[in-house]
Amino acid sequence: KAGVTQTPRYLIKTRGQQVTLSCSPISGHRSVSWYQQTPGQGLQFLFEYFSETQRNKGNFPGRFSGRQFSNSRSEMNVSTLELGDSALYLCASGTSFSYEQYFGPGTRLTVT
Amino acid sequence: QKEVEQNSGPLSVPEGAIASLNCTYSDRGSQSFFWYRQYSGKSPELIMFIYSNGDKEDGRFTAQLNKASQYVSLLIRDSQPSDSATYLCASQTGANNLFFGTGTRLTVIP
Repeated sequence: KAGVTQTPRYLIKTRGQQVTLSCSPISGHRSVSWYQQTPGQGLQFLFEYFSETQRNKGNFPGRFSGRQFSNSRSEMNVSTLELGDSALYLCASGTSFSYEQYFGPGTRLTVT
Repeated sequence: QKEVEQNSGPLSVPEGAIASLNCTYSDRGSQSFFWYRQYSGKSPELIMFIYSNGDKEDGRFTAQLNKASQYVSLLIRDSQPSDSATYLCASQTGANNLFFGTGTRLTVIP
């Protein structure tokens, strides 16, 4: 079974721009969660989607948004990028029967 | 206070020794606990999860949970240089999101 895939793997953007990241979960997984990982803050939860609905949201500003499609693929959008948004963005997929989550390879975003 | 606390290390053990990684959590409502391993430049990889008090063994790995003390640990027996990585402890409470500790860096010395 293929793992979680994320595109693009690397991205360089300028302050003020917006960016969209994509995540395809493991086949059969309907839950997709997004996390931000930085050296200073570690792994922080952004939001979780299940069956196209946002079920849970972390403490990030409204510039961070997401959505999930009917095939469970998910996108995350960050608008008006700031230097502090430079991070590794990870998505994780899971089933509706357990709480284990499996991470994709991540998208490394650099904001200059 | 952070939800999940870990000693950041680094923790160094000789090859073949037992590595002991510890984690405490603040929310008594936490139901499930996970250990992830993250190699430098890679994404976290799930290695163990535990829901019930006591020990859970999987090969060289043993997870231990003590809900009364709000304490989770991971033991790695017969440590190998390939075990050198950052180990992340995570707790799950209610909704399907995980709170992660900042990780403990483990180095296994050949």
